[in-house]
Amino acid sequence: EAGVTQFPSHSVIEKGQTVTLRCDPISGHDNLYWYRRVMGKEIKFLLHFVKESKQDESGMPNNRFLAERTGGTYSTLKVQPAELEDSGVYFCASSQDRGTGPTAYQETQYFGPGTRLLVL
Amino acid sequence: AQKVTQAQTEISVVEKEDVTLDCVYETRDTTYYLFWYKQPPSGELVFLIRRNSFDEQNEISGRYSWNFQKSTSSFNFTITASQVVDSAVYFCALTCLDSNYQLIWGAGTKLIIKP
Repeated sequence: EAGVTQFPSHSVIEKGQTVTLRCDPISGHDNLYWYRRVMGKEIKFLLHFVKESKQDESGMPNNRFLAERTGGTYSTLKVQPAELEDSGVYFCASSQDRGTGPTAYQETQYFGPGTRLLVL
Repeated sequence: AQKVTQAQTEISVVEKEDVTLDCVYETRDTTYYLFWYKQPPSGELVFLIRRNSFDEQNEISGRYSWNFQKSTSSFNFTITASQVVDSAVYFCALTCLDSNYQLIWGAGTKLIIKP
């Protein structure tokens, strides 16, 4: 079974340019997450899709970030325009469907290799 | 609010030594999940273990073992007879209903195993 894949593995752009990151989750995983780690900081949640719907986007830093998940398959994360502070590693993760209710079963999130973004 | 603390920024040991990585967590939820992930030099995050709050049984997997202590809110990770290939950054993480099942991460511990 193929794991989570991310493209590109590295991206170097200039401030003000646009970059689009792509994530392909594990087949059959309804949940897709984006996280990022900026230099010297902890890994932080960005957003969570359940199929094609945004379940939680509370971690998106500002409106320069736009995430989509067309047809509930792969997801893209666009940064437009990129700023210096956007540099870091962007991780994507996916997990199977979880249950509902107070004892919802939290499925393990499996991560892709990350995209290293450098904004100059 | 939830928090995960990995107080050890970096640990360096000689191969074959045992090493323990500490993880202390905070949450008000009674149901939560704890994870350890490994990030080798290649950069990917590799899932190692998940532990549910209602299961305090410790776990052993080969040279790896995990000690979950609810009384001290700790979920420590021990590598026995360390090997150079164990060199990586290790992250402890927490998720719960109160975090909306976002993974809350510790800062990571960089483990260096010297030959």
